[in-house]
Amino acid sequence: AQSVTQLDSQVPVFEEAPVELRCNYSSSVSVYLFWYVQYPNQGLQLLLKYLSGSTLVKGINGFEAEFNKSQTSFHLRKPSVHISDTAEYFCAVSVGTYKYIFGTGTRLKVLA
Amino acid sequence: DSGVTQTPKHLITATGQRVTLRCSPRSGDLSVYWYQQSLDQGLQFLIHYYNGEERAKGNILERFSAQQFPDLHSELNLSSLELGDSALYFCASSPQTSGGTGELFFGEGSRLTVL
Repeated sequence: AQSVTQLDSQVPVFEEAPVELRCNYSSSVSVYLFWYVQYPNQGLQLLLKYLSGSTLVKGINGFEAEFNKSQTSFHLRKPSVHISDTAEYFCAVSVGTYKYIFGTGTRLKVLA
Repeated sequence: DSGVTQTPKHLITATGQRVTLRCSPRSGDLSVYWYQQSLDQGLQFLIHYYNGEERAKGNILERFSAQQFPDLHSELNLSSLELGDSALYFCASSPQTSGGTGELFFGEGSRLTVL
């Protein structure tokens, strides 16, 4: 069975500092990978996705993620965060069926 | 605005009761997903419908059921409610016709509180 692990439940970081949110997945077959963001009192929205091709994927709001097949990871990065990036971030995996599995989320808190 | 509409936004009810949550997907989207979000469990996949047919089932309790109607809206029925059913229930839709590659568009959720 497929699974997604987000190793950090909370990540505090100062404004304009870089951040990395970690995501590891488990699957015996090829996967599609996603990062979603949830702002307070809102639904989730897509930040970026990896389907195939280049392992470095760029998304909205200056975020990017790198797919590493050997490490089964898909970590999310941003070189300089803003207060407005404070939100919960979810990594998700799909294995080509209609089933998307989400991680437990990482709360990013950007401090002034 | 994702284009996915969920009603009601908030619902407070008592244990043992039954509630229905409604979801209208984005115009043209055939796939509807239901997720349950709670503090201790994260975002749990419940069930997926495609064009009226159930396609995948996750950790959905037997007390819960769902359906997708010919106009593509979906309803999630929760019965014999327990305190532990208190959660945020999300609906998401997707336009994909091939599995697993498309973006999910989420509604703002229905917050259920069981007292």
